[in-house]
Amino acid sequence: KAGVTQTPRYLIKTRGQQVTLSCSPISGHRSVSWYQQTPGQGLQFLFEYFSETQRNKGNFPGRFSGRQFSNSRSEMNVSTLELGDSALYLCASSFRDRGAEQYFGPGTRLTVT
Amino acid sequence: GESVGLHLPTLSVQEGDNSIINCAYSNSASDYFIWYKQESGKGPQFIIDIRSNMDKRQGQRVTVLLNKTVKHLSLQIAATQPGDSAVYFCAESTYGGSQGNLIFGKGTKLSVKP
Repeated sequence: KAGVTQTPRYLIKTRGQQVTLSCSPISGHRSVSWYQQTPGQGLQFLFEYFSETQRNKGNFPGRFSGRQFSNSRSEMNVSTLELGDSALYLCASSFRDRGAEQYFGPGTRLTVT
Repeated sequence: GESVGLHLPTLSVQEGDNSIINCAYSNSASDYFIWYKQESGKGPQFIIDIRSNMDKRQGQRVTVLLNKTVKHLSLQIAATQPGDSAVYFCAESTYGGSQGNLIFGKGTKLSVKP
């Protein structure tokens, strides 16, 4: 069974631009969660989508948004990029109704210059 | 590889020894706990989980202990191998983990000396 895939793996953007990251969950998983990982703050929860609906949201500004499609694939968008948005963005999928055993993808490394 | 954290607590052990990684969690309402392993350049990999109605759970070469009284979690790795070198994170969740949001600890870097 294929794991969680994320594209692109690496991205360089300029301040003020926007970016869209993509995540394909493990087949059959309907829940997709997004996390931001930085050396200073560690792993922080961004939001979770289940059945195309955002079910939970972390403490991030409105510049961070996401969506989920009917095939459970998810995208997250960051608008008006700031230098502090440079991070590894991780996507995790799970069978939500079976608990929180989340499987992570390799992440997208975003660098904002 | 990519650095997952600066100034992380580091545990250095000899190959073949047992390792114990500790974690203090913050929310007394948390009822589901997970340990993840993250190698350089990769996403976190699930190791083992435990629910709050248990105080011990064993897997292959790993044991997780939960002490709810002092909000403490530990991961024991038996016969540590060089391949165990990685950053280890504990994570906590409420509602049995059904909410899709995990709260992660800062991580501990495990270094295994051959």
